[in-house]
Amino acid sequence: AQSVTQLGSHVSVSEGALVLLRCNYSSSVPPYLFWYVQYPNQGLQLLLKYTSAATLVKGINGFEAEFKKSETSFHLTKPSAHMSDAAEYFCAVSGASGNTPLVFGKGTRLSVIA
Amino acid sequence: GAVVSQHPSWVICKSGTSVKIECRSLDFQATTMFWYRQFPKQSLMLMATSNEGSKATYEQGVEKDKFLINHASLTLSTLTVTSAHPEDSSFYICSATDRGRYNEQFFGPGTRLTVL
Repeated sequence: AQSVTQLGSHVSVSEGALVLLRCNYSSSVPPYLFWYVQYPNQGLQLLLKYTSAATLVKGINGFEAEFKKSETSFHLTKPSAHMSDAAEYFCAVSGASGNTPLVFGKGTRLSVIA
Repeated sequence: GAVVSQHPSWVICKSGTSVKIECRSLDFQATTMFWYRQFPKQSLMLMATSNEGSKATYEQGVEKDKFLINHASLTLSTLTVTSAHPEDSSFYICSATDRGRYNEQFFGPGTRLTVL
């Protein structure tokens, strides 16, 4: 069984400050891990994914995440927040096969303060 | 590439009627499609997994007779909400796995269903 825990349902940062969104996973098989962003009334956009290659994964819009097996974590970071980053962020885990569904965390709403 | 569309983007219907939502992979063949439901300010919950040409696999607690899923081709899956009730109002999102990019799902833009 797989599960994802996102610490903090709401994170607020100042514009230009570091963004850190936390994600811990549980998986009985080598996991594939994903971060998605969702803007209001829209679908999901993939930010980045870990698929057992490099542990530091760079994504779109300046985001990156580091896979730490010892800590079962996959935290999302961005050095400098922009107003346009305000959205809902979901961490997800799946097995290696693309035919396995994603298991999502509960999401973290990111607010960016001017 | 890897675009998934959903139609309609939003729908309002009366209680007791049925609503069909289409999910299409526009530029790839989708071996598997997934249907998720998202209630306001909540996460996505998997409803069912659909493979082309076979019956959908529903998650525990999802009524098969209420949420009919058909995956007739490699580019189209449909979700029909039968005899819809206000508690079925939600955001329905589909995703599809590209046969050529095996470990990634591509999401549709979602369909907002409101049942009056």
